[in-house]
Amino acid sequence: AQKVTQAQTEISVVEKEDVTLDCVYETRDTTYYLFWYKQPPSGELVFLIRRNSFDEQNEISGRYSWNFQKSTSSFNFTITASQVVDSAVYFCALRDSGGYQKVTFGTGTKLQVIP
Amino acid sequence: KAGVTQTPRYLIKTRGQQVTLSCSPISGHRSVSWYQQTPGQGLQFLFEYFSETQRNKGNFPGRFSGRQFSNSRSEMNVSTLELGDSALYLCASSLAPYLKLYEQYFGPGTRLTVT
Repeated sequence: AQKVTQAQTEISVVEKEDVTLDCVYETRDTTYYLFWYKQPPSGELVFLIRRNSFDEQNEISGRYSWNFQKSTSSFNFTITASQVVDSAVYFCALRDSGGYQKVTFGTGTKLQVIP
Repeated sequence: KAGVTQTPRYLIKTRGQQVTLSCSPISGHRSVSWYQQTPGQGLQFLFEYFSETQRNKGNFPGRFSGRQFSNSRSEMNVSTLELGDSALYLCASSLAPYLKLYEQYFGPGTRLTVT
C-alpha cells in the first residue's frame, strides 16, 4: 500500500529565510513517481515537480530545490530566500506504476512566510 | 492554452438532494481524475477516467459516481447528499494515465456546501 507522510503540519518562517518541507513515502513498487504541489489560499493546486524513482538527481528551479533520496524514501523540498508569495499549503504525492494507480497525497504542510 | 475548468465554482445544496459537477480538461488531455478535499480527511482520490471508462476508484460509497464524454469532459454526481459531503471537489487532467505521461493539472475546484 502507498503512504505519504508530511510530518510538518505548519511551518512559519520570516521572509528571506530558507525552509525545507519534508516528505517521506512508502511503496512496494520499484517504479513510481513523486510530485509536489502548491495550494495557495485561492485553492487551486499548482503542479511544481515530478520525479521518477530512477532519477535521484537533485533538481533546482529558481528558489526551489528538491532532494530525492531513495535510501531514506524521502523527497524533500527546499525554498531558498522565502517570500510572502510562498505562503501556501504544499502537498507531496506518490503514484505507483502498474496500470491505473491512484495518486496518494500527503496531508500537506502549511507554510506561512512572515514579512 | 486554457487550464482545467470546473463548474460551478460554488454550490449550496440540502441534505438528500443530488448534485452534478462538471470538469473540462486541458485541451488534448484525455485523463481526468476527481478528488475530494476536506479539512479532516485531506485530499482523497475519488475516481479516474480515461477514454470514457472509469479506470480506478477510491474508497467512496456508490452515491459518488462519474462519467467521461468523448471530448474528455467529465462529470461527477453525488446522490442523496449528506452533511459530510461538504468539501472542495477538485478535478485534475493529464495527457494520459500512463506513468511517463502523468502530470496532473488541477482546476480551481467546486466548493460544495450541504446544509
